[in-house]
Amino acid sequence: AQSVTQPDIHITVSEGASLELRCNYSYGATPYLFWYVQSPGQGLQLLLKYFSGDTLVQGIKGFEAEFKRSQSSFNLRKPSVHWSDAAEYFCAVGDNAGGTSYGKLTFGQGTILTVHP
Amino acid sequence: GAVVSQHPSRVICKSGTSVKIECRSLDFQATTMFWYRQFPKQSLMLMATSNEGSKATYEQGVEKDKFLINHASLTLSTLTVTSAHPEDSSFYICSARVGRVNQPQHFGDGTRLSIL
Repeated sequence: AQSVTQPDIHITVSEGASLELRCNYSYGATPYLFWYVQSPGQGLQLLLKYFSGDTLVQGIKGFEAEFKRSQSSFNLRKPSVHWSDAAEYFCAVGDNAGGTSYGKLTFGQGTILTVHP
Repeated sequence: GAVVSQHPSRVICKSGTSVKIECRSLDFQATTMFWYRQFPKQSLMLMATSNEGSKATYEQGVEKDKFLINHASLTLSTLTVTSAHPEDSSFYICSARVGRVNQPQHFGDGTRLSIL
């Protein structure tokens, strides 16, 4: 079964600092990978996705993520964090192998980002 | 584009009441919709997958008779929590996807359900 691990429950950075949120996945084939962001009391917004091709994926709001197959990782990065980036971030892997789980997303536990002024 | 509207955003009701939550894709046709439940400070747990015109597929441990899902059109899915009890209080989120599985899911803003 697929799984996603986000090792950091909570990260605090200063505004303007760089950011990296870690995501490790377990999946038997080439995964579909996603990063979503959730503000308190709201739904999830898609930041970026990886299906195939270039392993460095650009997303919205200045975020990017790099797929590293050898490390089973899909870490999210941003060179300079803004106060408005404070939210919870979820990494997810999508099942594309068929069967009863086809098309489902499995989410990590989430990483809460706090931004200090 | 790819806007999903979920209604209501918050509902408070008495124990024993049935509550219906609507999920609409506003600018695209969603062949598949998903219903999630999120407990405080936890991740999203998939409850069921809903394909237009067919019965929903429920995840293990989710009571079909408790959580009724209807996906009558390509733009609307509903989740009805029947005879709700305090333990059903949670944040419910829907998502919708166009076509193939390599397309991302687009999420509604969620419904905060509080059962007194």
